[in-house]
Amino acid sequence: QVQLVQSGAEVKKPGTSVKLSCKASGFTFTGFTMHWVRQAPGRRFEWMGWINPGDGKTRYSQKFQGRVTISTDTSASTAYMEVTSLTSEDTATYYCARALGLYSSLFDYWGQGTLLPVSS
Amino acid sequence: DIQMTQSPSSLSASVGDRVTITCRASQSIGEWLAWYQDKPGKAPRLLIYKASNLQGGVPSRFTGSGSGTEFTLTISGLQPDDFATYFCQQYETYPLTFGGGTKVDIK
Repeated sequence: QVQLVQSGAEVKKPGTSVKLSCKASGFTFTGFTMHWVRQAPGRRFEWMGWINPGDGKTRYSQKFQGRVTISTDTSASTAYMEVTSLTSEDTATYYCARALGLYSSLFDYWGQGTLLPVSS
Repeated sequence: DIQMTQSPSSLSASVGDRVTITCRASQSIGEWLAWYQDKPGKAPRLLIYKASNLQGGVPSRFTGSGSGTEFTLTISGLQPDDFATYFCQQYETYPLTFGGGTKVDIK
Protein backbone atom coordinates (compact mmCIF):
# COMPACT_ATOMS: atom_id res chain seq x y z
CA GLN A 1 0.00 0.00 0.00
CA VAL A 2 1.05 3.60 -0.52
CA GLN A 3 3.07 4.98 2.37
CA LEU A 4 4.89 8.25 2.91
CA VAL A 5 7.08 8.14 6.01
CA GLN A 6 8.59 11.44 7.09
CA SER A 7 11.62 12.14 9.25
CA GLY A 8 11.21 12.83 12.93
CA ALA A 9 10.63 16.06 14.77
CA GLU A 10 13.43 18.60 14.82
CA VAL A 11 14.11 21.59 17.03
CA LYS A 12 15.99 24.37 15.32
CA LYS A 13 17.37 27.75 16.24
CA PRO A 14 16.64 30.88 14.22
CA GLY A 15 19.06 31.41 11.36
CA THR A 16 19.80 27.73 10.88
CA SER A 17 18.65 25.31 8.18
CA VAL A 18 16.81 22.02 8.15
CA LYS A 19 16.44 19.23 5.62
CA LEU A 20 13.31 17.10 5.95
CA SER A 21 12.80 13.74 4.28
CA CYS A 22 9.83 11.77 2.99
CA LYS A 23 10.34 8.12 2.07
CA ALA A 24 7.80 6.70 -0.35
CA SER A 25 6.76 3.11 -0.85
CA GLY A 26 4.00 1.16 -2.50
CA PHE A 27 4.01 3.03 -5.82
CA THR A 28 6.28 4.04 -8.68
CA PHE A 29 7.99 7.07 -7.19
CA THR A 30 8.91 8.64 -10.53
CA GLY A 31 5.32 8.55 -11.72
CA PHE A 32 3.87 11.08 -9.31
CA THR A 33 4.53 14.70 -8.42
CA MET A 34 5.46 15.19 -4.77
CA HIS A 35 4.33 18.31 -2.92
CA TRP A 36 5.32 19.89 0.37
CA VAL A 37 2.73 21.66 2.50
CA ARG A 38 2.99 23.09 6.00
CA GLN A 39 0.58 24.05 8.76
CA ALA A 40 1.57 26.45 11.51
CA PRO A 41 -0.27 26.15 14.84
CA GLY A 42 -3.81 27.46 14.47
CA ARG A 43 -3.24 28.41 10.85
CA ARG A 44 -4.42 27.03 7.53
CA PHE A 45 -2.39 24.74 5.31
CA GLU A 46 0.21 26.52 3.18
CA TRP A 47 1.59 25.09 -0.06
CA MET A 48 5.35 25.33 -0.48
CA GLY A 49 6.27 23.61 -3.72
CA TRP A 50 6.50 20.42 -5.74
CA ILE A 51 8.94 18.20 -7.56
CA ASN A 52 8.57 15.66 -10.33
CA PRO A 53 10.94 12.87 -9.29
CA GLY A 54 11.25 11.57 -12.81
CA ASP A 55 12.86 14.67 -14.28
CA GLY A 56 13.70 16.73 -11.20
CA LYS A 57 11.54 19.62 -12.31
CA THR A 58 10.42 21.82 -9.43
CA ARG A 59 8.01 24.66 -8.75
CA TYR A 60 7.92 26.79 -5.61
CA SER A 61 5.56 29.21 -4.01
CA GLN A 62 7.00 32.67 -4.56
CA LYS A 63 6.86 33.15 -0.80
CA PHE A 64 9.54 30.49 -0.34
CA GLN A 65 11.53 30.93 -3.56
CA GLY A 66 15.22 31.12 -2.76
CA ARG A 67 14.83 29.80 0.76
CA VAL A 68 13.39 26.34 0.04
CA THR A 69 14.92 23.58 -2.07
CA ILE A 70 13.03 20.41 -2.91
CA SER A 71 14.98 17.43 -4.20
CA THR A 72 14.71 13.67 -4.54
CA ASP A 73 16.83 10.56 -4.44
CA THR A 74 15.00 8.28 -6.83
CA SER A 75 17.17 5.29 -5.92
CA ALA A 76 15.83 5.62 -2.37
CA SER A 77 12.31 6.77 -3.36
CA THR A 78 12.78 9.71 -1.05
CA ALA A 79 11.88 13.36 -1.37
CA TYR A 80 13.64 16.08 0.59
CA MET A 81 12.93 19.68 1.43
CA GLU A 82 15.58 22.02 2.77
CA VAL A 83 14.56 25.27 4.37
CA THR A 84 17.23 27.86 5.15
CA SER A 85 17.35 30.99 7.31
CA LEU A 86 14.74 29.66 9.70
CA THR A 87 12.71 32.05 11.83
CA SER A 88 10.05 31.52 14.45
CA GLU A 89 7.50 32.03 11.65
CA ASP A 90 8.63 28.69 10.23
CA THR A 91 7.39 26.83 13.30
CA ALA A 92 4.91 24.39 11.79
CA THR A 93 4.19 20.81 10.93
CA TYR A 94 5.55 20.00 7.49
CA TYR A 95 3.89 17.43 5.25
CA CYS A 96 4.86 15.74 2.04
CA ALA A 97 1.94 14.73 -0.13
CA ARG A 98 1.65 12.66 -3.26
CA ALA A 99 -0.26 14.19 -6.15
CA LEU A 100 -2.86 12.23 -8.07
CA GLY A 101 -0.45 12.11 -10.98
CA LEU A 102 2.30 14.03 -12.72
CA TYR A 103 1.72 17.78 -12.49
CA SER A 104 -1.47 17.24 -10.50
CA SER A 105 -2.22 19.68 -7.69
CA LEU A 106 -4.53 17.32 -5.82
CA PHE A 107 -3.17 15.25 -2.96
CA ASP A 108 -4.28 11.67 -2.42
CA TYR A 109 -1.70 10.50 0.14
CA TRP A 110 0.04 12.50 2.85
CA GLY A 111 2.94 11.77 5.14
CA GLN A 112 2.43 11.78 8.89
CA GLY A 113 4.02 15.21 9.21
CA THR A 114 7.26 16.48 10.75
CA LEU A 115 6.97 18.92 13.63
CA LEU A 116 9.49 21.73 13.40
CA PRO A 117 9.67 24.17 16.29
CA VAL A 118 12.04 27.08 15.66
CA SER A 119 13.09 28.76 18.86
CA SER A 120 16.14 30.29 20.43
CA ASP B 1 -2.74 34.96 -4.22
CA ILE B 2 -6.30 33.64 -4.28
CA GLN B 3 -7.87 33.85 -0.82
CA MET B 4 -10.20 31.04 0.21
CA THR B 5 -12.79 31.85 2.85
CA GLN B 6 -14.72 29.07 4.51
CA SER B 7 -17.83 29.37 6.58
CA PRO B 8 -18.75 28.58 9.19
CA SER B 9 -15.46 28.01 11.02
CA SER B 10 -17.22 25.48 13.22
CA LEU B 11 -20.62 23.90 13.63
CA SER B 12 -22.33 21.44 15.90
CA ALA B 13 -24.55 18.76 14.44
CA SER B 14 -26.16 15.45 15.27
CA VAL B 15 -25.91 12.08 13.59
CA GLY B 16 -28.29 12.06 10.68
CA ASP B 17 -28.20 15.82 10.11
CA ARG B 18 -27.57 17.47 6.77
CA VAL B 19 -24.56 19.74 6.95
CA THR B 20 -23.49 22.39 4.45
CA ILE B 21 -20.10 24.11 4.37
CA THR B 22 -19.29 27.02 2.07
CA CYS B 23 -16.00 28.03 0.50
CA ARG B 24 -15.61 31.34 -1.34
CA ALA B 25 -12.71 32.27 -3.57
CA SER B 26 -11.45 35.83 -3.91
CA GLN B 27 -11.57 35.46 -7.71
CA SER B 28 -13.04 32.98 -10.13
CA ILE B 29 -11.43 29.55 -10.08
CA GLY B 30 -13.82 27.81 -12.43
CA GLU B 31 -14.38 24.39 -10.94
CA TRP B 32 -10.83 23.90 -9.74
CA LEU B 33 -11.74 23.24 -6.15
CA ALA B 34 -11.17 20.27 -3.87
CA TRP B 35 -12.48 19.32 -0.45
CA TYR B 36 -10.54 17.36 2.18
CA GLN B 37 -11.43 15.79 5.52
CA ASP B 38 -8.90 16.19 8.32
CA LYS B 39 -8.86 14.26 11.58
CA PRO B 40 -6.34 14.56 14.43
CA GLY B 41 -3.49 12.11 14.06
CA LYS B 42 -4.54 11.10 10.55
CA ALA B 43 -3.54 12.31 7.11
CA PRO B 44 -6.04 14.55 5.31
CA ARG B 45 -8.36 12.65 2.96
CA LEU B 46 -9.36 13.90 -0.46
CA LEU B 47 -13.16 13.83 -0.74
CA ILE B 48 -14.15 15.89 -3.75
CA TYR B 49 -12.22 17.25 -6.73
CA LYS B 50 -13.17 19.58 -9.57
CA ALA B 51 -15.93 20.97 -7.35
CA SER B 52 -18.32 18.05 -7.60
CA ASN B 53 -16.45 14.85 -8.40
CA LEU B 54 -16.35 12.22 -5.69
CA GLN B 55 -12.94 10.69 -5.08
CA GLY B 56 -12.92 6.90 -5.21
CA GLY B 57 -13.98 5.20 -2.00
CA VAL B 58 -15.72 8.30 -0.58
CA PRO B 59 -19.33 7.69 0.51
CA SER B 60 -22.04 9.20 -1.67
CA ARG B 61 -23.43 11.21 1.25
CA PHE B 62 -20.67 13.71 0.45
CA THR B 63 -21.56 16.03 -2.41
CA GLY B 64 -19.89 19.11 -3.76
CA SER B 65 -21.27 21.87 -5.92
CA GLY B 66 -20.48 25.32 -7.22
CA SER B 67 -18.31 27.12 -9.70
CA GLY B 68 -16.62 30.45 -10.10
CA THR B 69 -16.23 31.85 -6.61
CA GLU B 70 -18.77 30.01 -4.47
CA PHE B 71 -18.72 26.34 -3.55
CA THR B 72 -20.46 24.08 -1.09
CA LEU B 73 -19.77 20.74 0.51
CA THR B 74 -22.87 18.94 1.76
CA ILE B 75 -22.93 15.90 3.99
CA SER B 76 -26.35 14.25 3.84
CA GLY B 77 -27.01 12.09 6.84
CA LEU B 78 -24.03 12.82 9.08
CA GLN B 79 -22.36 9.68 10.41
CA PRO B 80 -20.22 9.31 13.55
CA ASP B 81 -17.10 8.96 11.38
CA ASP B 82 -17.81 12.35 9.76
CA PHE B 83 -17.02 14.44 12.83
CA ALA B 84 -13.84 16.11 11.63
CA THR B 85 -12.46 19.30 10.12
CA TYR B 86 -13.13 19.98 6.44
CA PHE B 87 -11.11 22.32 4.27
CA CYS B 88 -11.18 23.45 0.69
CA GLN B 89 -8.28 23.95 -1.72
CA GLN B 90 -8.14 25.84 -4.99
CA TYR B 91 -5.88 24.53 -7.72
CA GLU B 92 -6.69 26.90 -10.52
CA THR B 93 -3.63 29.08 -9.93
CA TYR B 94 -0.30 28.90 -8.15
CA PRO B 95 0.27 29.26 -5.31
CA LEU B 96 -2.22 26.60 -4.32
CA THR B 97 -4.25 27.96 -1.42
CA PHE B 98 -6.48 26.50 1.25
CA GLY B 99 -9.51 27.50 3.24
CA GLY B 100 -9.25 27.95 6.96
CA GLY B 101 -11.26 24.85 7.76
CA THR B 102 -14.66 24.03 9.25
CA LYS B 103 -14.74 21.90 12.36
CA VAL B 104 -17.82 19.69 12.59
CA ASP B 105 -18.43 18.43 16.10
CA ILE B 106 -21.14 16.60 17.94
CA LYS B 107 -24.07 18.62 19.23
